[in-house]
Amino acid sequence: SQQGEEDPQALSIQEGENATMNCSYKTSINNLQWYRQNSGRGLVHLILIRSNEREKHSGRLRVTLDTSKKSSSLLITASRAADTASYFCATDEASGTYKYIFGTGTRLKVLA
Amino acid sequence: GAGVSQSPSNKVTEKGKDVELRCDPISGHTALYWYRQSLGQGLEFLIYFQGNSAPDKSGLPSDRFSAERTGGSVSTLTIQRTQQEDSAVYLCASSLRASVWELFFGEGSRLTVL
Repeated sequence: SQQGEEDPQALSIQEGENATMNCSYKTSINNLQWYRQNSGRGLVHLILIRSNEREKHSGRLRVTLDTSKKSSSLLITASRAADTASYFCATDEASGTYKYIFGTGTRLKVLA
Repeated sequence: GAGVSQSPSNKVTEKGKDVELRCDPISGHTALYWYRQSLGQGLEFLIYFQGNSAPDKSGLPSDRFSAERTGGSVSTLTIQRTQQEDSAVYLCASSLRASVWELFFGEGSRLTVL
């Protein structure tokens, strides 16, 4: 079963605008990661946030984590057409098995 | 190699045949993961290895699916008696260890069962 669910499922914005996508999960976690996928093939790691962290930045990316609400958000600022992709969150269950469960993904389209 | 390598990149097979998918992880990575992704869907966890052992096989859909890893390196995912619903992209990922580390993905093996 899916641990995480992203919201919205699809998002279309103009170049230069900010894009925000959310991820909700079900169990306690050790960390949460965000990945990007182009054209339905390999995924690329974007950012990792640990359960004891609340916010993290990397370039134009900002990730927040609220463990009390079991949710995370990914903000992409000043979006570019090249940011068009699907974005997934992944969580490990804090039960020690270390398997990463991926959410359903948000399909982002940035219009030039 | 520099990245995770998967083969074949594309496989078309007939219903009822067996298929083997191979994953060659990044050198030195002890953890290896298999996922399945159907068209337009999210990733479905299948199995992961830490070294040669598989602590969690809970995602394997049926007993037609099996995976092994030898020498702490290459892994093979085998699907016996393939069915049309097995058609998907099978993604492999590796990480330094199975804990708080990022996953590096291969480009996937696209399986089509006719």
